[in-house]
Amino acid sequence: EVQLVESGGGLVQPGGSLRLSCAASGFTFSSYAMSWVRLAPGKGLEWVSAISGTGGSTYYADSVKGRFTISRDNSKNTLYLQMNSLRAEDTAVYYCAKLLLFISMDVWGKGTTVTVSS
Amino acid sequence: EIVLTQSPATLSLSPGERATLSCRASQSVSSYLAWYQQKPGQAPRLLIYDASNRATGIPARFSGSGSGTDFTLTISSLEPEDIAVYYCQQRSNWPITFGQGTRLEIK
Repeated sequence: EVQLVESGGGLVQPGGSLRLSCAASGFTFSSYAMSWVRLAPGKGLEWVSAISGTGGSTYYADSVKGRFTISRDNSKNTLYLQMNSLRAEDTAVYYCAKLLLFISMDVWGKGTTVTVSS
Repeated sequence: EIVLTQSPATLSLSPGERATLSCRASQSVSSYLAWYQQKPGQAPRLLIYDASNRATGIPARFSGSGSGTDFTLTISSLEPEDIAVYYCQQRSNWPITFGQGTRLEIK
């Protein structure tokens, strides 16, 4: 069964850091680009970041560029999102998703919640 | 950045009726458009990719059409379980963008 499981969310103070993980199973992880998408309270879906299958290419939304870093460990079938300088507006449920042909997202995890508050 | 504008914001229909959801792009995205369904407390689910291809396991009552800047998601006969927010998404250019969503309510 193809599965993505996120972890690492929690409560953090403004300016703090957090690292999210996404464990993949059921498919050849290294063959697919991966992405992070978030859903803030009362808002719509917002794409955050993406990474190619090899990890050689990365992409970011302007809202997180310079603060967040996406990476992957293909030997561990795991995707990461390092989040620094967190702001209240980063509060959201963060989903990892498998990219189909680098265009659409065909498999999603259940999400992990990040709350930035003092 | 390509802006996707969805309409209407909210759609209220009865079971068995046809639902038509629109997504308009600020510039051409060719056919690089997808549709997702998100129910409360759940992760999004891919319904349609490449504008008109149903994803695996998606019922035939869901269909997508369009190319360029104008796209439509049609639900031919609404079921009560179709209550959700529906989003369009493009990856013609970076960054990936989503529309603001259409909330579908069942009367």
